[in-house]
Amino acid sequence: EAQVTQNPRYLITVTGKKLTVTCSQNMNHEYMSWYRQDPGLGLRQIYYSMNVEVTDKGDVPEGYKVSRKEKRNFPLILESPSPNQTSLYFCASSLSGWNSPLHFGNGTRLTVT
Amino acid sequence: DQQVKQNSPSLSVQEGRISILNCDYTNSMFDYFLWYKKYPAEGPTFLISISSIKDKNEDGRFTVFLNKSAKHLSLHIVPSQPGDSAVYFCAASDGSSNTGKLIFGQGTTLQVKP
Repeated sequence: EAQVTQNPRYLITVTGKKLTVTCSQNMNHEYMSWYRQDPGLGLRQIYYSMNVEVTDKGDVPEGYKVSRKEKRNFPLILESPSPNQTSLYFCASSLSGWNSPLHFGNGTRLTVT
Repeated sequence: DQQVKQNSPSLSVQEGRISILNCDYTNSMFDYFLWYKKYPAEGPTFLISISSIKDKNEDGRFTVFLNKSAKHLSLHIVPSQPGDSAVYFCAASDGSSNTGKLIFGQGTTLQVKP
């Protein structure tokens, strides 16, 4: 089954404790991206990757890191999480980027205390 | 600065009637637009898209209209069904920039009453 898998689904952590949210897709998509969803703000793009080893900032990259060492995986790293990073995070992939529909994972609910 | 705006946070319609969800944008360079639907506890799913060379695209009960001069697009659902109750996001991108940036609106929660 074609899918985007993110883990974990729920995560509660404390300020400053490094964490990684994993994202994997099995559709051989070139493009992958991370979003955060906050009430009243919709979905905001954090980082995206057009291909392996190619990543770029979205609209809200501060406090996040990503890497794209293989085509299928695109982990999101929070080196020193803060409470304002409490949010619902979605990973997505698509065949070619801006003009092809995104396939989203089911989300990761992160709480930073 | 919100480049893509969905000014109605919520909309309620009766089953069988038309649902119209609106989206405005400010960047005239946007040339590709998409609508996504999101159910609780799931990721958004792609619904329909439109390129700026068109002013209408239809897929079954769903039609998207694009008015470039007004920088406005709308999603029409006819007839609306209770299963359409979800959050709807519009999104826009600028193909000429050759980046992967995709800008989403804030979302509109649609409730279709039986």
